Parts: sequence; structure tokens; C-alpha cells
Amino acid sequence: NAGVMQNPRHLVRRRGQEARLRCSPMKGHSHVYWYRQLPEEGLKFMVYLQKENIIDESGMPKERFSAEFPKEGPSILRIQQVVRGDSAAYFCASSPREVAGTSGANVLTFGAGSRLTVL
Amino acid sequence: AQSVTQLDSHVSVSEGTPVLLRCNYSSSYSPSLFWYVQHPNKGLQLLLKYTSAATLVKGINGFEAEFKKSETSFHLTKPSAHMSDAAEYFCVVSTGTASKLTFGTGTRLQVTL
Repeated sequence: NAGVMQNPRHLVRRRGQEARLRCSPMKGHSHVYWYRQLPEEGLKFMVYLQKENIIDESGMPKERFSAEFPKEGPSILRIQQVVRGDSAAYFCASSPREVAGTSGANVLTFGAGSRLTVL
Repeated sequence: AQSVTQLDSHVSVSEGTPVLLRCNYSSSYSPSLFWYVQHPNKGLQLLLKYTSAATLVKGINGFEAEFKKSETSFHLTKPSAHMSDAAEYFCVVSTGTASKLTFGTGTRLQVTL
């Protein structure tokens, strides 16, 4: 079981370029969550997806950011026209079912993260 | 609203000595609390969790944490540090779904010979 796989692990982009981060959930997991960790801050929730559906995007910036989880293939977090403030570590987590209730975190499996650097 | 404060960004201990990583939280509801560990180039791994049962929680690798409601604390301890404990540790509070997980800023533990 390979766990949650994220790639690329490190990505460097110039301002104005596009960044695409991929996340393959654990085998058997159909729920994907993206978190962002800005420098000197804790991880912050961005978006929760199931196959072909965005369930909760309350943490996504309103512009330039989008996410998808197609029927086949990995989940993609896409950042258009990147700016220096987008430099961060982006973590993906997956679960076999919806995380709910106060004990929900124990069913999340996290990837190692993708570190985006915007020059 | 909820928040988590990890009081130390870096902690350095000698191998074989005790470890104390501090975490304070605030929450409007009865929270669940967690500690995660991230080793270099690895994903976040759940160390232990508190979900309103016993206030002293035992986790993996000899770690434990005590929930103290009066002090709003959930400090992580280990009696004797091992070199393999060197990692980043995150304290997390939850009052609902995955979108309601609040992470601390992390404490980097260094273990020296």
C-alpha cells in the first residue's frame, strides 16, 4: 500500500505561470482533502472532494485556485498566474469515507506534501 | 472559533532525556485533540488522539499526552528521547469535519547525542 502519493514533491514557478499539484489517494479511498501550509503557519483546510464532486471549498481562495478529482486519475490542485504569496507546502489527505464528528481526523491519511516556490 | 498554539517552534533534547512539546488550545465546543508527526519526506502520521475519554492518552512510539481542561493544554511527552524521534510535530484541534481541523504551527524536535 503506497499511501497517499503527491507529486511533484518540489515545484518552482515564476510569477504568472501555472502550477499543477497532483494527489493520488490511498487505494480504496474516494475522499480527498487539500491543505496549505504557508511559512510559519499551521496547515489550513482548502477543499474537500469526492470523485467528480467538490463537497466543500470554503477554504479555497476565490480566484486563481481550482481543484478537481476526476473519475479516473489523481486529484489536481491548479493555481493559475502564481504569485510569490502562493509559495507554500500543499498537503493532500484521503479517507475511505466522509470525515465527520469530532474524532474524524483519525481516518485521514496524509501525503508528504508538495512544496511550491514562486520566484 | 478554535485555535491552537504550539509554544515552541524548535525544541532540542539529548538522546535519553525527556521530551516535552507544549500545546494550548481554545475552542467553543468540546474538542477532540490530536498530535501528528512528520518525518522528513514523509506524510503526517497520527501519533495519538483525545476524544473525551481518558485524559491521559497513550500513543505510538512511547509518546503520551494529557488533556487538561483547566489549563486548556494538551502537551506531548516522552520519558526518553530517541534519535528517530527527530521530526516536526503538529498539535491539532477538531470540532467537526475535516474542514474544521485547526493545526498548530508545528514544533521541530531535534535530538542530539
